[in-house]
Amino acid sequence: DVKVTQSSRYLVKRTGEKVFLECVQDMDHENMFWYRQDPGLGLRLIYFSYDVKMKEKGDIPEGYSVSREKKERFSLILESASTNQTSMYLCASSFRVSEQFFGPGTRLTVL
Amino acid sequence: AQKITQTQPGMFVQEKEAVTLDCTYDTSDPSYGLFWYKQPSSGEMIFLIYQGSYDQQNATEGRYSLNFQKARKSANLVISASQLGDSAMYFCAMREEGYGGSQGNLIFGKGTKLSVKP
Repeated sequence: DVKVTQSSRYLVKRTGEKVFLECVQDMDHENMFWYRQDPGLGLRLIYFSYDVKMKEKGDIPEGYSVSREKKERFSLILESASTNQTSMYLCASSFRVSEQFFGPGTRLTVL
Repeated sequence: AQKITQTQPGMFVQEKEAVTLDCTYDTSDPSYGLFWYKQPSSGEMIFLIYQGSYDQQNATEGRYSLNFQKARKSANLVISASQLGDSAMYFCAMREEGYGGSQGNLIFGKGTKLSVKP
């Protein structure tokens, strides 16, 4: 079974802090994705990556950056967290154009 | 304009009955894929079913079937014999596969919350 893990299920940070959200997949997938999910808005793509050290902006990249130094790991970075970044963050991976497999999500609260 | 539209924010269904969750999509790409995901209260997104734009037959996976009407650009999910464990958010998603490609990116609808009544 494909497994996608995220470093934390719940996270509370203060405004202005630098936040790292980690995602690891164990199926050698090329593609990895970061989404945020907000009530009534569905899932919105923040960044994605097709390969190591490659990244592409999604629909809402502002305020975020990413890092993919190893194939299995894709990190989402909030350089200076703000209250409007309070959200559920979901990581996913896929093999080429197959279905995406999701991690359990990280519920981030920025105070 | 929204590419994926789910017009039902919430729905109720009686246990053991069938239910249809609506999804319409908008694309000019001739090659695309349509997906349905289930998200229980635990938060994890679970892949349910996939339909390719060139597939001749409607996709089925156990109690799930996808009613694909290409001309109407609709991809409704049908759940037969609803169970209490089907209570969850359901998301329709599309991947556009042509024109330099999405390379796997999915565009999600806003979801439908399904509640199954005992």
